[in-house]
Amino acid sequence: SQTIHQWPATLVQPVGSPLSLECTVEGTSNPNLYWYRQAAGRGLQLLFYSVGIGQISSEVPQNLSASRPQDRQFILSSKKLLLSDSGFYLCAWSPGSFTDTQYFGPGTRLTVL
Amino acid sequence: EDQVTQSPEALRLQEGESSSLNCSYTVSGLRGLFWYRQDPGKGPEFLFTLYSAGEEKEKERLKATLTKKESFLHITAPKPEDSATYLCAVSTQGGSEKLVFGKGTKLTVNP
Repeated sequence: SQTIHQWPATLVQPVGSPLSLECTVEGTSNPNLYWYRQAAGRGLQLLFYSVGIGQISSEVPQNLSASRPQDRQFILSSKKLLLSDSGFYLCAWSPGSFTDTQYFGPGTRLTVL
Repeated sequence: EDQVTQSPEALRLQEGESSSLNCSYTVSGLRGLFWYRQDPGKGPEFLFTLYSAGEEKEKERLKATLTKKESFLHITAPKPEDSATYLCAVSTQGGSEKLVFGKGTKLTVNP
């Protein structure tokens, strides 16, 4: 069966510090991978998606970036965090296109102070 | 612009009191509608995918239905462990392929 991992589970960072969140998927090959942010009172916002190694599409212009160095690894980064980057970050995978069911990881709670 | 609206925002039920959650959508062309359950501090857990009007799916006390403009998540004789936020999302034809999520319905079931 497929499993998706995210770490860290929680993170408290000062404004201006760098960020690296990691997501890995087990039990499948060549998945589509997604990064979402969930803010209080708002729906899930798609940040990035990837259909293969090195292929990243950005949905929202911001100071975040994503990379996919390996088939089942997806990384969300920032060089300098802003207060507005606080939120709950979720990684998801699907076996194919967007129309396929997406399965979510446990999430990372990021607080920027 | 594709939109998904869930109602009510919050719902309180007594254990055993059946009810329904609504997800209405305005999209250029529906490919699929998805229901998720999310517990506090956790990632959404997949429940159902519906693809065409008239389709129904069931899982334990939950039943999801789909029409051309909305979906309902029926909860029969709920238990306290059904308390969670229920999210609805749609995928659409044409344009940017992505899931559009509603803001969710927070369900509380009191014993």
